[in-house]
Amino acid sequence: EDKVVQSPLSLVVHEGDTVTLNCSYEVTNFRSLLWYKQEKKAPTFLFMLTSSGIEKKSGRLSSILDKKELFSILNITATQTGDSAVYLCAGQGAQKLVFGQGTRLTINP
Amino acid sequence: EAQVTQNPRYLITVTGKKLTVTCSQNMNHEYMSWYRQDPGLGLRQIYYSMNVEVTDKGDVPEGYKVSRKEKRNFPLILESPSPNQTSLYFCASSTGTSGRGEQYFGPGTRLTVT
Repeated sequence: EDKVVQSPLSLVVHEGDTVTLNCSYEVTNFRSLLWYKQEKKAPTFLFMLTSSGIEKKSGRLSSILDKKELFSILNITATQTGDSAVYLCAGQGAQKLVFGQGTRLTINP
Repeated sequence: EAQVTQNPRYLITVTGKKLTVTCSQNMNHEYMSWYRQDPGLGLRQIYYSMNVEVTDKGDVPEGYKVSRKEKRNFPLILESPSPNQTSLYFCASSTGTSGRGEQYFGPGTRLTVT
């Protein structure tokens, strides 16, 4: 059975800290790993990773995929209160997307 | 503006009363999908469609039906809703074939079945 597991499930840090969110996956016919940010509405796309070892960056956010060990990490540096959200990772199989439970990140000022 | 729309956004209904949640996308995407989101369980796929007249079950299809008669529309039908279908529902469409690539999500429909 396909599964995606995220850790930690919840994280509280202070503004300015750096955080690392983890995602491990077991997805049949794996194609890519996607990260989404969800505030009080629909998920919004952050990254899609298809190749091992190649870091993707967008501002203070970055992510990398390890296809040998079947995991991905999402890093956020110099966190801001606006980064507070649930972060979802999802493994893309041949025809469907399997989501993890999400990590709820809270940034305190 | 490229978007996925869903209606209604909020719905309270009673057990057994048939309902339809509409989903429409204006991006000419072939792949569309329905998810439900429940606390602690993340997003779970209900049904997906790779193209017009092509639909398939996701991980939690029981109690739901879908149809894909046109490329832009993918309605979710609950023939006889039950309280365990109370959830937040998202429709999504994808840039890639077979669902590969970024999925664009609709705003969500919060359904309560009493």
